[in-house]
Amino acid sequence: GQQVMQIPQYQHVQEGEDFTTYCNSSTTLSNIQWYKQRPGGHPVFLIQLVKSGEVKKQKRLTFQFGEAKKNSSLHITATQTTDVGTYFCAGRSGGYQKVTFGIGTKLQVIP
Amino acid sequence: NAGVTQTPKFQVLKTGQSMTLQCAQDMNHEYMSWYRQDPGMGLRLIHYSVGAGITDQGEVPNGYNVSRSTTEDFPLRLLSAAPSQTSVYFCASSYSRAGWQSGELFFGEGSRLTVL
Repeated sequence: GQQVMQIPQYQHVQEGEDFTTYCNSSTTLSNIQWYKQRPGGHPVFLIQLVKSGEVKKQKRLTFQFGEAKKNSSLHITATQTTDVGTYFCAGRSGGYQKVTFGIGTKLQVIP
Repeated sequence: NAGVTQTPKFQVLKTGQSMTLQCAQDMNHEYMSWYRQDPGMGLRLIHYSVGAGITDQGEVPNGYNVSRSTTEDFPLRLLSAAPSQTSVYFCASSYSRAGWQSGELFFGEGSRLTVL
């Protein structure tokens, strides 16, 4: 079945440093979504990428979808303490039914 | 709108007991799903439904049953709880249509289940 690998599992950064998390799928994806989960909270949708090579930005966050639609990345510039949480990628392939999540990257920001 | 509502938020069970986690959404979403979240394992899909009367298995369906009699509700049943089912459970829904068009998942606040 479809697998979505995500690295790293944990990342500690000094406030102001950049951060990147990567996702790789074993199959070609129809789209990929990114979610953020604050400690003790539930996942909250950040963005969806659909097109090959797509790049989207949200303030300090940059999201990329690979040309082959099998990998994606989330880059945060100049991290802040409000960025703390776990970031998940989630991919759909084939039909629209199943959404497979990566294991998540837990980000700690040291003030 | 309440969004996705899960009850209960916390539950402690003894091995062998049964219970139902409730999930309701008021957004008229066709797609509903249940995930469990365990440390180091991410979010794993248990069961999902693409509409009333239609359900299917996810990655980890064993030990869980679901039904979808209405668009709004998608309960998750544990027939005979086991310690391995200790986890945080999330219900999520989205607006979806067949094909590659799909919507964002809206999550409930989660249900923390402990099986002793």
